[in-house]
Amino acid sequence: DTAVSQTPKYLVTQMGNDKSIKCEQNLGHDTMYWYKQDSKKFLKIMFSYNNKELIINETVPNRFSPKSPDKAHLNLHINSLELGDSAVYFCASSTRDRGQMVFFGAGTRLSVL
Amino acid sequence: AQKVTQAQTEISVVEKEDVTLDCVYETRDTTYYLFWYKQPPSGELVFLIRRNSFDEQNEISGRYSWNFQKSTSSFNFTITASQVVDSAVYFCALSDNAGKSTFGDGTTLTVKP
Repeated sequence: DTAVSQTPKYLVTQMGNDKSIKCEQNLGHDTMYWYKQDSKKFLKIMFSYNNKELIINETVPNRFSPKSPDKAHLNLHINSLELGDSAVYFCASSTRDRGQMVFFGAGTRLSVL
Repeated sequence: AQKVTQAQTEISVVEKEDVTLDCVYETRDTTYYLFWYKQPPSGELVFLIRRNSFDEQNEISGRYSWNFQKSTSSFNFTITASQVVDSAVYFCALSDNAGKSTFGDGTTLTVKP
C-alpha cells in the first residue's frame, strides 16, 4: 500500500480553470504538507496542516486553498490557474514522534497551457 | 529564519569515484532536524537520512555516509564508489519542531560509466 498517495499524477489544463489535487496518507501521521517544485527543481513548502488545523501558510496566492477534511487527507484546490502555476506539487506527511521525518507522495505534475 | 545552502549546483564524476555533497544550514533553533533526500530522474523524493540537532554521530549506510558538524553548521553527504544509479538530484533539508522544512536548492549528481 502506498503510504502517501496523491491524484492525479499528471494534470494538463487551460489557463483560468479551477483544479484540485487530492492527497491521502495511511501512515497515521498528524501533519500533512503541500510543497511546490518549480522547473528549476527548487522545493518550497506551501502549507502545513496539523490535525486538520492550518499551521504553516507560506506566501502563496490566495488562489491556492488547502482543505483537510480529516487528518489523513489534505487536498489542494487552485482557482483561476495561471501559466506560472505549472510545477510539480508534492504532498507529504510526518509525525512528531518520528522526529519530523517527512514522507512524500509521488508528485502531481501540473501543466497550465 | 532557516536557510539551507547547497553550494554545488552540479557535480559530475566517473563511476567508482567517491563524491561529497556539501550542505550548510542556518537556524536559531536549538532543536532541529536535518535530512537528505534523493530525487532520481523518475521524480519521486526518496528519504535517505534524518539527524536531530542533539545527535552529532556520523552515520554510514552501505556506500553512503553523513558527516554532521554543529560547529560548522554542516551536514555533508559522501557516496563511496559511486555508481550510475546514484545519478540524481540530492536535497538537503532543515526542519524545525513545528515541521516546517526548508530545502536547499539541490545538487545534481551525474555519475558517468
